[in-house]
Parts: sequence; structure tokens; C-alpha cells
Amino acid sequence: GAGVSQSPSNKVTEKGKDVELRCDPISGHTALYWYRQRLGQGLEFLIYFQGNSAPDKSGLPSDRFSAERTGESVSTLTIQRTQQEDSAVYLCASSLASDGLFGYTFGSGTRLTVV
Amino acid sequence: ELKVEQNPLFLSMQEGKNYTIYCNYSTTSDRLYWYRQDPGKSLESLFVLLSNGAVKQEGRLMASLDTKARLSTLHITAAVHDLSATYFCAVVRADKLIFGTGTRLQVFP
Repeated sequence: GAGVSQSPSNKVTEKGKDVELRCDPISGHTALYWYRQRLGQGLEFLIYFQGNSAPDKSGLPSDRFSAERTGESVSTLTIQRTQQEDSAVYLCASSLASDGLFGYTFGSGTRLTVV
Repeated sequence: ELKVEQNPLFLSMQEGKNYTIYCNYSTTSDRLYWYRQDPGKSLESLFVLLSNGAVKQEGRLMASLDTKARLSTLHITAAVHDLSATYFCAVVRADKLIFGTGTRLQVFP
């Protein structure tokens, strides 16, 4: 596609429920990143995928968070047993290569509200 | 651990004035990025700086990179209201893009 596509754009869920967020990167982009942005805050790195290599999960805040990506296509970020502190905008980015020489393109994000 | 700090965190400036936003980072990197974020929106790429001494300009914004000092600056010339937004710098380390704290810029008449 022309850009990084994320869905849903908004999600309201009850505390304790599981949610799944989707990211469709730009075609041909081998690297994919997930970030979390709490209200009024900066971007917090969550996880990074590069091709078929093992993902860098060093930013995942707890074992309730997980993400998958098949090859160089769609990625899903799953949050189990959601808590109110999970409320944030979740942003996905992709890049042509992991070295960032061509920059990074961000999606519009998914705004998650846990009530 | 890579830390990326920006200052100021908040900047209120009058139209027509000049100002500079600073981005310091704690470990070696030769790639730095500037992004703009409008309220409720995603990030828009402004500049990609890939080497020491790199300088890029677009309209009223100019960014530079000094890898030896681990410092990047975003200079605003003759500010206009349309530049009101939050500006983030980000640095690559071990293939991860790490963001600064952000500078919220407000330009008033």
C-alpha cells in the first residue's frame, strides 16, 4: 500500500479483556516497529521485527504484551487482560531496511481506551 | 542504555521570532531523525540526518547534526502559527529508533 495502515483506529475495551491491534506495513519494508504513546508523552519502543529474524522484544512492558509478524507482511500486537494503564495510542512504523537510511514511516495509530 | 533528551520541553514563541530546539543523546549514533506531530495525529518525517555535519533545510526549519557532541539542533526562523506542533528527535541504536521527550511548540501572534 501507499502508507502504513493500522486498524482499528480506535478501540474501547473493558478492563481484563484481550485486544488485538493490526499493522500493515508498506510493501517491501523489511523492518517493522511498534511504539506506545501515552497521552502527552513521547514514544516508547515496544518491539521490532526485521525480516525473518527473531524479533527484539526488549521494550515489551509485561508478559501480557505479545506481537507476531509473518515474514515481511502484517503484524499484530496483542494485549491480554488489559489494564487501565494500557490506555494509549499504539503506533506502528516500517522502514525499507533496519539501518534506517531511508527513514521510517509511521501509521496513524490505534487509540486504545481501557475502561 | 541510549537516552535522548530534548530541550526545551515546551516553547511558546511569538510569530516572526527565531528559536532553536536541542536534542542530546547519550551514546554514539550517526543517524538522527526529526519528526513533527500535530495533536491527535501520527508522526510526519521532517529530516533524516545521516552523517556528522549534516545540515538540512525545509522552509522555516533547519536541522543539523554534530555526532561528536552528540547533539542535533532544529532551528526555527521567523516562526508562523502553522509551525505549532510537537517536535521529536529520534536516534538509531542497535537498529532501534529511540525517541526524545518531545518539544511542544506554540506560536502565537
